[in-house]
Amino acid sequence: EPEVTQTPSHQVTQMGQEVILRCVPISNHLYFYWYRQILGQKVEFLVSFYNNEISEKSEIFDDQFSVERPDGSNFTLKIRSTKLEDSAMYFCASSEAPTNTGELFFGEGSRLTVL
Amino acid sequence: GENVEQHPSTLSVQEGDSAVIKCTYSDSASNYFPWYKQELGKRPQLIIDIRSNVGEKKDQRIAVTLNKTAKHFSLHITETQPEDSAVYFCAATSGSARQLTFGSGTQLTVLP
Repeated sequence: EPEVTQTPSHQVTQMGQEVILRCVPISNHLYFYWYRQILGQKVEFLVSFYNNEISEKSEIFDDQFSVERPDGSNFTLKIRSTKLEDSAMYFCASSEAPTNTGELFFGEGSRLTVL
Repeated sequence: GENVEQHPSTLSVQEGDSAVIKCTYSDSASNYFPWYKQELGKRPQLIIDIRSNVGEKKDQRIAVTLNKTAKHFSLHITETQPEDSAVYFCAATSGSARQLTFGSGTQLTVLP
């Protein structure tokens, strides 16, 4: 069964450092997303991406965040200058169709720890 | 924007009993309501979903009901088993949105 894959599974970084989280969505999917989950809390939407541009973003997704689809398979989330409160599990997701019509498939997540 | 409230935050049931988790949403334009199961340290996995043109949907031991007038939807698990123990999240999205808004989660524990 096709899966969304994410790397790294866990990254530890110092506050102020840049981090890039990588995702390979399911190959025939057109819609890509990043969500995050702070430990013990709910899953929160960060950004959606379609047709090589951001289609929606939340208040969390401020100027320190950016997304990119550098080639035909990868989808990345960059955090420019990490803060302690960025520590969370970051989930990439993809879907064939928009959220309300197509099932969202989540990756296993990348745990980010900011020290 | 959409706001989703979920209750209870924790739920313990005896094996074989039923479990019910309830959610309310704020945006009357919301039209898609999935439920996710998340085991410790794992990804959320879709277990059932319902769209706004349907009032109830069932898949084996799992059912979801939707009341659009009251803006609430519920997950029902019958004949619970220990492997049902996990955190369950409800979510909602509207037609114009490319995002899911999640509830705060329910830790379900099924006691053998």
